[in-house]
Amino acid sequence: DAKTTQPPSMDCAEGRAANLPCNHSTISGNEYVYWYRQIHSQGPQYIIHGLKNNETNEMASLIITEDRKSSTLILPHATLRDTAVYYCIVRSGDSYSGAGSYQLTFGKGTKLSVIP
Amino acid sequence: DAGVIQSPRHEVTEMGQEVTLRCKPISGHNSLFWYRQTMMRGLELLIYFNNNVPIDDSGMPEDRFSAKMPNASFSTLKIQPSEPRDSAVYFCASSDEIYSPLHFGNGTRLTVT
Repeated sequence: DAKTTQPPSMDCAEGRAANLPCNHSTISGNEYVYWYRQIHSQGPQYIIHGLKNNETNEMASLIITEDRKSSTLILPHATLRDTAVYYCIVRSGDSYSGAGSYQLTFGKGTKLSVIP
Repeated sequence: DAGVIQSPRHEVTEMGQEVTLRCKPISGHNSLFWYRQTMMRGLELLIYFNNNVPIDDSGMPEDRFSAKMPNASFSTLKIQPSEPRDSAVYFCASSDEIYSPLHFGNGTRLTVT
């Protein structure tokens, strides 16, 4: 079972920031929040991940609330090429969570449409 | 970096035929994963290798499916005999260690008629 809840779809105007929310209220202390996206006909693409601090890379920023029960992926200047399904995934960071804890379990994600 | 390379990109075969999908992970990565994606079930993990050794094959749907990793730069997923319900997109992914981010290939779209 996916441990995250995301809106099924969102629209964003080209050039504006896209803010994609994710709820993960049952996240454990050693679990990371990962974001992937899947552009049509391509494999899932890793975007960013974090534990509790906010993270930024060349693709996006990840804002995690202090209680870690939710997070937001921010694409600062969305382009048409950012149209994709975005997956928020909770994943263990070590083996202490038990067998199979390394697995990435993909839910249904958010279909982001960037509009000209 | 060429990324994860999968071949073929598309495969169409008749029911009962053997199908072999191929994957070349990113050089230096020691973890390799095979996933399957369908509209009904989404992305599912089939099998995971670490240092060329199968660690978890609990996601392999049945004995018709088998996977090998003869060396660090090559893996295969074989279906024998294939059935129409095996039609899906099969992805291979690799990571430099088990808990690192996975990097996916662009998949093989399999159609079994």
